[in-house]
Amino acid sequence: ELKVEQNPLFLSMQEGKNYTIYCNYSTTSDRLYWYRQDPGKSLESLFVLLSNGAVKQEGRLMASLDTKARLSTLHITAAVHDLSATYFCAVGRKQETDKLIFGTGTRLQVFP
Amino acid sequence: NAGVMQNPRHLVRRRGQEARLRCSPMKGHSHVYWYRQLPEEGLKFMVYLQKENIIDESGMPKERFSAEFPKEGPSILRIQQVVRGDSAAYFCASSPGPWQNTEAFFGQGTRLTVV
Repeated sequence: ELKVEQNPLFLSMQEGKNYTIYCNYSTTSDRLYWYRQDPGKSLESLFVLLSNGAVKQEGRLMASLDTKARLSTLHITAAVHDLSATYFCAVGRKQETDKLIFGTGTRLQVFP
Repeated sequence: NAGVMQNPRHLVRRRGQEARLRCSPMKGHSHVYWYRQLPEEGLKFMVYLQKENIIDESGMPKERFSAEFPKEGPSILRIQQVVRGDSAAYFCASSPGPWQNTEAFFGQGTRLTVV
């Protein structure tokens, strides 16, 4: 059974600082997604990572994938308040039909 | 092209009543996924449907929950005899093909409160 774990669960950081969110999964997967969710809102797709060593960047966020370690990271550079949200990773594999299994989420709060 | 539409956005039901949640996929999308999100938790997969077919219902509770995606009209998630523990946000996502090959888009969710 595919399981996905994120850490930390909560992250409070000062504006301008850097930090990394980790996503571990238990079995081989075909693809990994990062989503953002604002309170009371839906999920916004940030990144899709399909292969070992994949790295994608958008603004202050950069995601990477190490399929051998079954680990993805979401790195935040010089955080700003607008990045405050909950971030989820989600993993999919063909053997699990097409559904995505979500991590527990990391609630990020950026303060001045 | 409107996004994935879910209604109602908020639903209040008394214990024992039925709840019907609707999901209209994006135009051209024939694959629908339902997820449940309990407060302060991640999304839990419930069911994956294609038009008129249930592909994977491994996340659906055995009793009281059912889902359909008819040839015409929205996908419906139905919860009979609701209990307090059913209070959650229910999200659907739709895609034009299998999620592994295409992007899936989430709706705004239906927030169910059982009182």
